[in-house]
Amino acid sequence: SQQGEEDPQALSIQEGENATMNCSYKTSINNLQWYRQNSGRGLVHLILIRSNEREKHSGRLRVTLDTSKKSSSLLITASRAADTASYFCATVKGAQKLVFGQGTRLTINP
Amino acid sequence: DTAVSQTPKYLVTQMGNDKSIKCEQNLGHDTMYWYKQDSKKFLKIMFSYNNKELIINETVPNRFSPKSPDKAHLNLHINSLELGDSAVYFCASSPQGQGSYNEQFFGPGTRLTVL
Repeated sequence: SQQGEEDPQALSIQEGENATMNCSYKTSINNLQWYRQNSGRGLVHLILIRSNEREKHSGRLRVTLDTSKKSSSLLITASRAADTASYFCATVKGAQKLVFGQGTRLTINP
Repeated sequence: DTAVSQTPKYLVTQMGNDKSIKCEQNLGHDTMYWYKQDSKKFLKIMFSYNNKELIINETVPNRFSPKSPDKAHLNLHINSLELGDSAVYFCASSPQGQGSYNEQFFGPGTRLTVL
């Protein structure tokens, strides 16, 4: 069954604002990853957070992980038009595979 | 330089035909994957190969047969295409061993349309 579920499904904000996307999952995990997909393109890895980590930063990205609530959030600060894309969380447990959610479509309005 | 490449980018074909999608990675990775993304953007793994050996087969119909001639290539052959096979197919690769404990690198995708 599908593991990650992103919320909201779609998000539209003004350039310069912060964007927050959430991901919930159902079973225990080894790590959780966030990917970005621009329209018509493949996925690009953004950040990986391990199950024993609570927060991670990469440039304008901040990811949190709460294993007790089985949830993660991705914060993009000072959004830019180029951040317009779909964002996916993917969980990893045991077997060598990623299980993706359905993604959040983020639109940054100039 | 393209890290993970797929050909063709677009594939339009009739029901019942047999078609192949090719994937190559120049990253030196040992693990390669095929994913299917449906019209609702739901992305699901189909196969995973590590050093030419099949390690994941996610209940994919037998009409789908992956082939890995070497660790840099993972091709996907589809027999007797059906309307429901229409989707975007992504190839990906990751470093040796703990494949999904590391990030995966995705190709640009192949949009398959079955008429």
